[in-house]
Amino acid sequence: NAGVTQTPKFRVLKTGQSMTLLCAQDMNHEYMYWYRQDPGMGLRLIHYSVGEGTTAKGEVPDGYNVSRLKKQNFLLGLESAAPSQTSVYFCASRWTGEETQYFGPGTRLLVL
Amino acid sequence: GENVEQHPSTLSVQEGDSAVIKCTYSDSASNYFPWYKQELGKGPQLIIDIRSNVGEKKDQRIAVTLNKTAKHFSLHITETQPEDSAVYFCAHRGGGAQKLVFGQGTRLTINP
Repeated sequence: NAGVTQTPKFRVLKTGQSMTLLCAQDMNHEYMYWYRQDPGMGLRLIHYSVGEGTTAKGEVPDGYNVSRLKKQNFLLGLESAAPSQTSVYFCASRWTGEETQYFGPGTRLLVL
Repeated sequence: GENVEQHPSTLSVQEGDSAVIKCTYSDSASNYFPWYKQELGKGPQLIIDIRSNVGEKKDQRIAVTLNKTAKHFSLHITETQPEDSAVYFCAHRGGGAQKLVFGQGTRLTINP
């Protein structure tokens, strides 16, 4: 099993550009999460999904959109990137029957 | 009511000594308290967790204690080793919630 994978690993964007971050998991997990990690602020939840076709807002959803068209994939979109979205983005997934979240390796995004 | 405060933000201990990290929460409905370890360049990984019906849980050199009355829980690492150097995050989940709220993180450095 590859576990949770994230694409790309690193990206540089200019202000106003758009991009999509891909999270994929091969563990048949129902729940998937997108977090951003900033110095001194821990992990903050952007959006999450409790199953295919469903999404919900987390703590900091503004400026982001998500889609869960397939159970194994959870996409995070930035329609118009801003410097404040410079961060490390982590995806996580978990099975309905347990609490443990399994994290991907992260995507480092720099918005200039 | 969902926030969790984590202290200290940085901690440096001598190899072989103990390390303690504390988190305080305010949501009385919180009933699940995990601790995640993040090594450099990787995603966080669960190391230990505790539920609200238990006061203490141990796993080899690590332990977690929970004081529901005071609304705080702590991570204890004994006989620290160089591989314990990492960032540690506490988190909590409110009753019925499908998401975790993370603390700000503690950077632990073990000095040889």
